[in-house]
Amino acid sequence: ETGVTQSPTHLIKTRGQQVTLRCSSQSGHNTVSWYQQALGQGPQFIFQYYREEENGRGNFPPRFSGLQFPNYSSELNVNALELDDSALYLCASSFTGYNEQFFGPGTRLTVL
Amino acid sequence: GQQVMQIPQYQHVQEGEDFTTYCNSSTTLSNIQWYKQRPGGHPVFLIQLVKSGEVKKQKRLTFQFGEAKKNSSLHITATQTTDVGTYFCAGLSGGGADGLTFGKGTHLIIQP
Repeated sequence: ETGVTQSPTHLIKTRGQQVTLRCSSQSGHNTVSWYQQALGQGPQFIFQYYREEENGRGNFPPRFSGLQFPNYSSELNVNALELDDSALYLCASSFTGYNEQFFGPGTRLTVL
Repeated sequence: GQQVMQIPQYQHVQEGEDFTTYCNSSTTLSNIQWYKQRPGGHPVFLIQLVKSGEVKKQKRLTFQFGEAKKNSSLHITATQTTDVGTYFCAGLSGGGADGLTFGKGTHLIIQP
């Protein structure tokens, strides 16, 4: 059984740029959620995808967008990067909805 | 929106002492989950509580869900160095459109 994988591991961008982060869900999971974790804070829910549709969204602006593909993998896109977007971005997959979340190792994004 | 408060923020204990972290939600929850994150790692699911007044045990860990389904606690008996990490509670309310709301976590530091 393959766990949740994310790429890249680390990324450095400058203000105003755009970034795409990728996530492969654990086998058998059809739901993917994305979280932003600032240093010293708890993960903050960005959005969830189920069967390629956005299924829930946290308090994040529209420049945070996502996709889910037929194989249940997912992308998180962030446009017009701001300094405050620097954080660990975590992807989590689950069998259904918001039950047990299986987290990936995360992508550390630094915005300069 | 929903808020989840967690106390204490930091807890220093001697190895072998007990440890408790508390979680309080501003709204009634449909379920509450607990996660552990080791330094430099990603959150790992520990347990999910669904029923009012529910108590679950995992070896030295005891989890409780309050009668009003607005608070929860995690108690560790006789801490070991392997217990080091940050413990997060995460609550789900209503239909889940807002996703899981994580607390800021309790950082457990163990002195041998």
